[in-house]
Amino acid sequence: AQSVSQHNHHVILSEAASLELGCNYSYGGTVNLFWYVQYPGQHLQLLLKYFSGDPLVKGIKGFEAEFIKSKFSFNLRKPSVQWSDTAEYFCAVNGPAGSNTGKLIFGQGTTLQVKP
Amino acid sequence: DAGVIQSPRHEVTEMGQEVTLRCKPISGHDYLFWYRQTMMRGLELLIYFNNNVPIDDSGMPEDRFSAKMPNASFSTLKIQPSEPRDSAVYFCASSFPSFYGYTFGSGTRLTVV
Repeated sequence: AQSVSQHNHHVILSEAASLELGCNYSYGGTVNLFWYVQYPGQHLQLLLKYFSGDPLVKGIKGFEAEFIKSKFSFNLRKPSVQWSDTAEYFCAVNGPAGSNTGKLIFGQGTTLQVKP
Repeated sequence: DAGVIQSPRHEVTEMGQEVTLRCKPISGHDYLFWYRQTMMRGLELLIYFNNNVPIDDSGMPEDRFSAKMPNASFSTLKIQPSEPRDSAVYFCASSFPSFYGYTFGSGTRLTVV
């Protein structure tokens, strides 16, 4: 069965610091990959997604993620975080790509706290 | 596009009572998912539907939980009888097709006392 592992459970950064959140998945085939963000008290919103092509994916609010197939990883990055980025971040995987299996498997989430 | 609409936003009920959560997916989406979120267990997939048919209900914790999707624009998640450990935020999400990612509703915060 597929699984998603997010290494950092709680990250604390100061404003303007760079961010990298780790995500690894277990499925060996072709996958679709996602990052979602959940601001305090709100629902999950899609940050970015990878289906195929350029492994460096750019999303909203200055976030990007890099798919490294050999490492089964899809790490989320942002060069300079803001206080408003304080939220919980979820990595998710669906596969095999194009199979329309329907189910997204979510990681446990990483809580990011940005200090002003 | 009104998004995925869930009701109620908050529900407080006494142990033993029946609880019904409602979801209206985005028009045209053919997948609908019910998730439960708690601090201890994170996001758990309870059940999902494709074209109104339940595909995978392996995440439904007990027989006390049931879900229906009578038509493409409405789904319910019912807990009967409710217990304090059912307290959580329940999210509904829809998608078409699934690999484009889900759109989540605002959730229902359930508190069972």
